[in-house]
Amino acid sequence: DVKVTQSSRYLVKRTGEKVFLECVQDMDHENMFWYRQDPGLGLRLIYFSYDVKMKEKGDIPEGYSVSREKKERFSLILESASTNQTSMYLCASGVLDPDTQYFGPGTRLTVL
Amino acid sequence: GNSVTQMEGPVTLSEEAFLTINCTYTATGYPSLFWYVQYPGEGLQLLLKATKADDKGSNKGFEATYRKETTSFHLEKGSVQVSDSAVYFCALSSQGGSEKLVFGKGTKLTVNP
Repeated sequence: DVKVTQSSRYLVKRTGEKVFLECVQDMDHENMFWYRQDPGLGLRLIYFSYDVKMKEKGDIPEGYSVSREKKERFSLILESASTNQTSMYLCASGVLDPDTQYFGPGTRLTVL
Repeated sequence: GNSVTQMEGPVTLSEEAFLTINCTYTATGYPSLFWYVQYPGEGLQLLLKATKADDKGSNKGFEATYRKETTSFHLEKGSVQVSDSAVYFCALSSQGGSEKLVFGKGTKLTVNP
C-alpha cells in the first residue's frame, strides 16, 4: 500500500514564526503536492513538484514556499506565519495514467 | 478553465437509503474523473475513477458513470451505511500532460442509524 506521512497531525504556532510541514512518501512517486483545505472552499493547490529540486506554483502560492531535496520528501514552508494561514494542510503524491493522487492524513495548523 | 461543481451539502440520510451526489464538470479534451472520500480526521482516499466516456467506476458499493454528453459523473450507492458518513469530493484531471487535479468543494454525508 502507498503510504504518505506528514510530520504532525496538529500544530500550533504564533504569528511571525517560520513553520515547516514535512511530507514523506514511500512509493517512489515523481509527483508531490501540497493543498490547503478550508470549509466551503474545498481543496486548493499551493505548490507541486514533478521531480527533485523542481517546483511549480499552484493556485494559492502566496505566503508559502517549498523544498524538494530528495524524491521522497516534500516540505512546505511558511516563512512568517499569519492567522489567515490557519487551515488543514494535505500532502499528496501521485502517478500519471491517470493522475491518481494518494493523500497523507493532514496537518491541522493553528496560527495564533 | 477546468472546473468541477458538486451538489451542496450537507446530505443526511437514514441507513439503507439510496444515495446520489451530483457532479458536473467543465473541461477541454477528455479528462479523467475521480471520486475521493475523506473520513473524519483523515486525509482523502481514492474511492473510484473513470478515464473515458461511458466508463463506470465502482468500489465498496459506490458507482459513478462518466457521461460525456451531460458532462457528469454522479456518485451513487444503493444502500448506505453509517460507516459511509464522510465528505465526498469529485475531481478531474485534464488531458495534455497536466498532472494537476481540480476538485469540487466536497459534499458532507451523514448517515443515521
